[in-house]
Amino acid sequence: LAKTTQPISMDSYEGQEVNITCSHNNIATNDYITWYQQFPSQGPRFIIQGYKTKVTNEVASLFIPADRKSSTLSLPRVSLSDTAVYYCLVGASFSGGYNKLIFGAGTRLAVHP
Amino acid sequence: DSGVTQTPKHLITATGQRVTLRCSPRSGDLSVYWYQQSLDQGLQFLIQYYNGEERAKGNILERFSAQQFPDLHSELNLSSLELGDSALYFCASSANPSNQPQHFGDGTRLSIL
Repeated sequence: LAKTTQPISMDSYEGQEVNITCSHNNIATNDYITWYQQFPSQGPRFIIQGYKTKVTNEVASLFIPADRKSSTLSLPRVSLSDTAVYYCLVGASFSGGYNKLIFGAGTRLAVHP
Repeated sequence: DSGVTQTPKHLITATGQRVTLRCSPRSGDLSVYWYQQSLDQGLQFLIQYYNGEERAKGNILERFSAQQFPDLHSELNLSSLELGDSALYFCASSANPSNQPQHFGDGTRLSIL
């Protein structure tokens, strides 16, 4: 399973755009890239998932370059409620029929007034 | 609300005891996963079930066991508890065992005294 590397922490201010980059040099052909958000004492919450290029939903965008060795989660105009830990995960094999997620340390995002 | 229900929310017990954690997956989801999150270890994948059968194993101790019942709810059994087992235990579910995003419950906080 591909290992991911992301910054341990980031700081931002309300209204700014935040970009969190994740490196996954050993990503496999069938691997998807998934981002989760976790607040203290709550379970991780799915944010967005992609395979290549760009994916956008109502809360975030995910940019994946052609080589797929990295990905960037973009949060537009963050608010104080976006303060959380963000996890980048790579894995989940179609052929293996399993969905084993390996969580790294994540990125602690602190949004300031 | 993820649709995943975990009970109990909190559990306090003593070393050497045995406890059972329960998880009801989202309606329609066939796959259930268990994770352990402690302060010094982050989120660790324990085990996955799909439609009643074990599908993948992670860092699950021999003192721990799990099963998924015909109605698709799952139980995680922890025995001979040690102080180091104190952690948040999360259950997640997905529609199938491949790359579908997992939806997490809010966890059971287990405290060993």
